[in-house]
Amino acid sequence: LAKTTQPISMDSYEGQEVNITCSHNNIATNDYITWYQQFPSQGPRFIIQGYKTKVTNEVASLFIPADRKSSTLSLPRVSLSDTAVYYCLVAPIYSGGYNKLIFGAGTRLAVHP
Amino acid sequence: KAGVTQTPRYLIKTRGQQVTLSCSPISGHRSVSWYQQTPGQGLQFLFEYFSETQRNKGNFPGRFSGRQFSNSRSEMNVSTLELGDSALYLCASSLGGQGADTQYFGPGTRLTVL
Repeated sequence: LAKTTQPISMDSYEGQEVNITCSHNNIATNDYITWYQQFPSQGPRFIIQGYKTKVTNEVASLFIPADRKSSTLSLPRVSLSDTAVYYCLVAPIYSGGYNKLIFGAGTRLAVHP
Repeated sequence: KAGVTQTPRYLIKTRGQQVTLSCSPISGHRSVSWYQQTPGQGLQFLFEYFSETQRNKGNFPGRFSGRQFSNSRSEMNVSTLELGDSALYLCASSLGGQGADTQYFGPGTRLTVL
């Protein structure tokens, strides 16, 4: 499974846009990229998932360049409640393979007033 | 649609005991995965069950086991508890079929081993 590298921590202020970049140099052709958010003592919450180019939902955007060796999670206009740990994961899309998620250390995002 | 539920939410045991944790997946989901989260090791995959069969397995000792019932509910068991087993145990469910199968996590069971 492809290994991911993310910044350990980031700081931002309310109302700003936050971009968290994840490197996955060894991503395979059949790997998808998924981002989760986790608050203390809670289970991770699915944010967004993509394979290539750009994906947008009501919460975030995910930018994936053509070589797919990195991806960027973009959170528009963050608030204090976005303070959490954000995980970037890659996993194969074949049946069953996707359900063995390998989590890295994640990025601790702190949003300040 | 109700989310993933886990019981109990908190548990205190002593070394040498065994424990059983339960997970009820989202209705219609056939895959249940278990993860252990500790401050030192982070989130680690334990195993995954699909249609009552273990389909994937992580690198944990045989003291950690699980099973899945015909209604997709799953249990995990840890025997001969050690202090290092203190952790947040998370269960995730998904449809389990082909393609990028999104996993939805439960709130977790906080296990403390004394």
